[in-house]
Amino acid sequence: DTAVSQTPKYLVTQMGNDKSIKCEQNLGHDTMYWYKQDSKKFLKIMFSYNNKELIINETVPNRFSPKSPDKAHLNLHINSLELGDSAVYFCASSQRQGRETQYFGPGTRLLVL
Amino acid sequence: AQSVAQPEDQVNVAEGNPLTVKCTYSVSGNPYLFWYVQYPNRGLQFLLKYITGDNLVKGSYGFEAEFNKSQTSFHLKKPSALVSDSALYFCAVRDVASGNTPLVFGKGTRLSVIA
Repeated sequence: DTAVSQTPKYLVTQMGNDKSIKCEQNLGHDTMYWYKQDSKKFLKIMFSYNNKELIINETVPNRFSPKSPDKAHLNLHINSLELGDSAVYFCASSQRQGRETQYFGPGTRLLVL
Repeated sequence: AQSVAQPEDQVNVAEGNPLTVKCTYSVSGNPYLFWYVQYPNRGLQFLLKYITGDNLVKGSYGFEAEFNKSQTSFHLKKPSALVSDSALYFCAVRDVASGNTPLVFGKGTRLSVIA
């Protein structure tokens, strides 16, 4: 009964490959997010969806494409992976934007070789 | 524009002593302020937030934070540190009137509580 879950937990792949990370929340929230945490632990928003609609897209290369099939799921597809994409990717959700608390998933550790 | 600063990369404190993790922010209007904690190989966990009202906010695990508008600060405090409090702490801010702009996180402060 995990609130925000992500799969896979670890992902090791070669440069140039395409990969997807899945996220699901069972909190009934309307808003979902993808964050990237780099090796120095800096946390940066990538995308935000509200009721399946993209509302935030923060200067992320277009190799990254989020997809929200329904408001409980937000998947992240990455094309042509590069070494610099190695990071931990966190999914999060909140009831709405603004003052609402965000709840984070456990993270997906991506290593591009 | 909104921003948040955590001036200390690392804070060391002895078990049983009080701890403070500092955070200052910059927004054009009023802020929503949050503290999160990240344990090794885990996602971020919510500790507490300031929305409006009382400047002293109490949160999980005995943590509290004081909103100080004049100093634009939201320092995290705990009266008596535990070894299990050792983790990475993030402050985050969002301008109340900012529409769809995202929550902005500080760079994190690593807290080490020594037995």
